[in-house]
Parts: sequence; structure tokens; C-alpha cells
Amino acid sequence: AQSVTQLGSHVSVSEGALVLLRCNYSSSVPPYLFWYVQYPNQGLQLLLKYTTGATLVKGINGFEAEFKKSETSFHLTKPSAHMSDAAEYFCAVRGSNDYKLSFGAGTTVTVRA
Amino acid sequence: DSGVTQTPKHLITATGQRVTLRCSPRSGDLSVYWYQQSLDQGLQFLIQYYNGEERAKGNILERFSAQQFPDLHSELNLSSLELGDSALYFCASSALNGGGTEAFFGQGTRLTVV
Repeated sequence: AQSVTQLGSHVSVSEGALVLLRCNYSSSVPPYLFWYVQYPNQGLQLLLKYTTGATLVKGINGFEAEFKKSETSFHLTKPSAHMSDAAEYFCAVRGSNDYKLSFGAGTTVTVRA
Repeated sequence: DSGVTQTPKHLITATGQRVTLRCSPRSGDLSVYWYQQSLDQGLQFLIQYYNGEERAKGNILERFSAQQFPDLHSELNLSSLELGDSALYFCASSALNGGGTEAFFGQGTRLTVV
């Protein structure tokens, strides 16, 4: 079975500062990893995904994540936060022999002016 | 716009009642997933259908059922509703069956049971 732990339910950053959201996964098979963003009263939108190949993955809106197998991590970063980045972010994992996505508890990002 | 359509967007109903949530997947997607999002449980996988057949079951209550029709739209039926069933219900679709294929989510149906 696969599972995800997101460290920190709430992160507050200043506009222009680095955004770092932590995600650790547990998987008995090679994982597929995803980051989704949810804006208020919206559905989930895919930011980026890791399947195979390059471990540094670039996504939309300037976000990127690095898959580190040795650390079982898939942390999400953005060099410079914008006010529009305020949202809830979910890390998700799916095993290669699995159908469903397993989500973390989510991290709410607040951006201070 | 993800291309996944869910109706209705909001639903308010009384305890003990039955409701049906509808999902139209993206054009060409064969897989449909249902998730429940609540404050205390987070995002919980309920059930998945692939090309009309049930493929995976998660934390879905016996009072809940789903199906996928030949035109690939799906319905989630919730019966004998309880206050605790109040949540946001998401439908997602993907082209293939699991693996590295990303799922595209609809805007959700917010169910309030009073």
C-alpha cells in the first residue's frame, strides 16, 4: 500500500520568499508522485508529477519538485511566492500496480504582503 | 477547466434521504474516480470504475454505491444520509487505468445534510 505524509498543515510565507512544502511517501513499489493545488471553492489542479526519468520535475506556475528515493521524499518548491499562490496543496502517490491516488492531509499556504 | 463536469454543484438535503451525484469525465477518459473531502478525514478515495467496470474500492460505506454507464458518465448514489456525510464529493477522470496517468478533477459537489 502507498501513503503520503505532508509535514506542516499550514505554511505562511512573505511575498517573494521561498515556498517549501514537504512530502514524504511510503510505497512498496516504484511510486508515481503528484502535487495538486486547490484554490478556495475549486477542484484540484495538477501542478506536476513524477513518473520515471529526471528526478527534478518542473510544473506550472513556477513550481518544481525533486524526487529523492533515498529519502522517500517529493518536496515542492517555488523560489518566489506570489499572492496568487495562496491555496491548499496536496501531495499524492500511486503505486505502479495501483489504481487509486492516495493523498496527504494537505498544506495550506498563506502569503503575506 | 479540467473538462470533468459534476452536477449539481451544491446539494442540501435532510437526514435519511437519498441523493445522486453525477459526473461526466473528460472526453475519451475511461477511468472515473470518486473522492470524498471532509475536514476531519481529508481526501478519501471511494471507488473507481474503468470502462464500465468497478476496478478499486476504498473507504466507501455500504449506504453508498456508484456505477459507470455505457457513455462513461458516472453516478454516485448516497442513501440513508447522515449528518456526517456532509462533505465535498469530487469526481476525477483519467485516460488510462492508474500508473503514471494523472487524474483530472471536477469542481466537486458540496453536500450538506441537515
